[in-house]
Amino acid sequence: NAGVTQTPKFQVLKTGQSMTLQCAQDMNHEYMSWYRQDPGMGLRLIHYSVGAGITDQGEVPNGYNVSRSTTEDFPLRLLSAAPSQTSVYFCASRPGTSSTDTQYFGPGTRLTVL
Amino acid sequence: RKEVEQDPGPFNVPEGATVAFNCTYSNSASQSFFWYRQDCRKEPKLLMSVYSSGNEDGRFTAQLNRASQYISLLIRDSKLSDSATYLCAVNMDSNYQLIWGAGTKLIIKP
Repeated sequence: NAGVTQTPKFQVLKTGQSMTLQCAQDMNHEYMSWYRQDPGMGLRLIHYSVGAGITDQGEVPNGYNVSRSTTEDFPLRLLSAAPSQTSVYFCASRPGTSSTDTQYFGPGTRLTVL
Repeated sequence: RKEVEQDPGPFNVPEGATVAFNCTYSNSASQSFFWYRQDCRKEPKLLMSVYSSGNEDGRFTAQLNRASQYISLLIRDSKLSDSATYLCAVNMDSNYQLIWGAGTKLIIKP
């Protein structure tokens, strides 16, 4: 199993550009999520999904869209990039919503918005 | 007050020493607790889960103190390879989202 994969690893955007961060998992996990990690602030939840066709907002959803058309894929779209979106983005998945489920992370995407 | 708080460190510890750090949480209804390890510029990886009073895995021991609302991580006989940032995550049954601390940075020195 590849686990959770993310592309690209690095990306530089100009303010106002849009792009999609890709995330896929091959563990048949129902729950997937996107986090951003900024220095001194810990992981903050952007959006999450409890299954194909179901998405919901997390703590910091503004400026981001997601979709979940299949169990495997959970792309994150930046609508109009802003410098405040410069961050490291992690996609994660876990089997379900049980409080004891282990969460697995992708390798991350380092995004810089100029 | 943040929901999950950690001392950011860094904790500078000589190789072979024992080190411990805590993670406090604000919601007394929290049910599950996790320690993750994150190496520089890498993704977090699960180190230990804590569901009841505690858990032990080799040199690592995690303990839960519900009365004072904190979990601790103890590392014995520390090794250079233990240098990393240790993230605490808390989960409530009524809300399956994980709430994350900002992490504690540990540096093991030879």
